[in-house]
Amino acid sequence: GAGVSQSPSNKVTEKGKDVELRCDPISGHTALYWYRQSLGQGLEFLIYFQGNSAPDKSGLPSDRFSAERTGGSVSTLTIQRTQQEDSAVYLCASSVTGGTSVKNIQYFGAGTRLSVL
Amino acid sequence: AQTVTQSQPEMSVQEAETVTLSCTYDTSESDYYLFWYKQPPSRQMILVIRQEAYKQQNATENRFSVNFQKAAKSFSLKISDSQLGDAAMYFCAYRSSSGTYKYIFGTGTRLKVLA
Repeated sequence: GAGVSQSPSNKVTEKGKDVELRCDPISGHTALYWYRQSLGQGLEFLIYFQGNSAPDKSGLPSDRFSAERTGGSVSTLTIQRTQQEDSAVYLCASSVTGGTSVKNIQYFGAGTRLSVL
Repeated sequence: AQTVTQSQPEMSVQEAETVTLSCTYDTSESDYYLFWYKQPPSRQMILVIRQEAYKQQNATENRFSVNFQKAAKSFSLKISDSQLGDAAMYFCAYRSSSGTYKYIFGTGTRLKVLA
């Protein structure tokens, strides 16, 4: 596609429910990142996928959070048993590769605003 | 671990005037990259400008320029001839030249442009 696409744009859920957030990266981009943006905070790194390599999950805040990337393209971030503190905007980004070149810029989607009631 | 600090939660500038947004960072690395991203109400993060740490020359992109002071670990953004469309959240970001290349972001500065 022309840009990084995320769905849904907004998601309201009840505490304790599971949610799935989807990210469709730019075609041809092999690297994909998830970030969380809480109110009044910067973006917090969650997880990184690069090709067929094992993902870097070092930013996931708890074992309720997981993500997968099928076929090296679309990614799904799953939050189980949601809590109110999970309310945030979840942003996805992709880049051509995970390489060191400064040209390897991350392009962001518009995010999913998650509200946990 | 690297950190990025933006000490100005909010700034205002008169249309057509110049404003400077501050960013400092902490790292023990010698090779890295710095970025300024703009986030309008649409939430879409847009790259404004980028700087390679090994380059002494400050990056410029039209009305946007940076003042990169490597020794002081400072990376400020100057917006000249401010326009109403510049109003947004501005995030400073650091990226290592090794590892997973994740961005480390500051907490952002909200820029208001006054007509």
